[in-house]
Amino acid sequence: AQSVTQLGSHVSVSEGALVLLRCNYSSSVPPYLFWYVQYPNQGLQLLLKYTSAATLVKGINGFEAEFKKSETSFHLTKPSAHMSDAAEYFCAVSSGTSYDKVIFGPGTSLSVIP
Amino acid sequence: NAGVMQNPRHLVRRRGQEARLRCSPMKGHSHVYWYRQLPEEGLKFMVYLQKENIIDESGMPKERFSAEFPKEGPSILRIQQVVRGDSAAYFCASSHSGGDREQFFGPGTRLTVL
Repeated sequence: AQSVTQLGSHVSVSEGALVLLRCNYSSSVPPYLFWYVQYPNQGLQLLLKYTSAATLVKGINGFEAEFKKSETSFHLTKPSAHMSDAAEYFCAVSSGTSYDKVIFGPGTSLSVIP
Repeated sequence: NAGVMQNPRHLVRRRGQEARLRCSPMKGHSHVYWYRQLPEEGLKFMVYLQKENIIDESGMPKERFSAEFPKEGPSILRIQQVVRGDSAAYFCASSHSGGDREQFFGPGTRLTVL
């Protein structure tokens, strides 16, 4: 069984500062990992995903995440926050098998202070 | 090239009525997922369907909730005898296949039970 925890339900950063959103997972098999973003009153959009290739994954809008097996982590980072990054971010995990669902974390709300 | 369509976008029901939520997956996608998002909470998996089959319904309440994905037409999430606690945003996602495949989300249906 898989599970996901996201440390910090709310994170605030200044515009131009580093964004770091934490995600830790639990999985009995090699995981597939995802980060999604949700803007107000919208559905989720995929930022990036890890599927056992390179451990450093680059996504859209300047975001990237690094898979660290020893730490069971998949933290999301962006070097310089922009006002438009303010949104809810969800980390998710699946086993990667064809008929396995994706499990989402509780989400982290990112605020960007001008 | 339409994305995942959900209708209605907003649905108001009185206690005891039935709610029907529709989801049309992206063209070519045969896997559909339903999630529920309560205010200030993350996404909770409800059910995973493939055409004419329920793959995983472990997140569905045992009573009043049902889902289908017929050979023709949209996927339907049905909630019978709605109660106030059913008020939430319901998101549908679709994918080309399960597991590691990206899920594309619809804009959601916001159900309000009076």
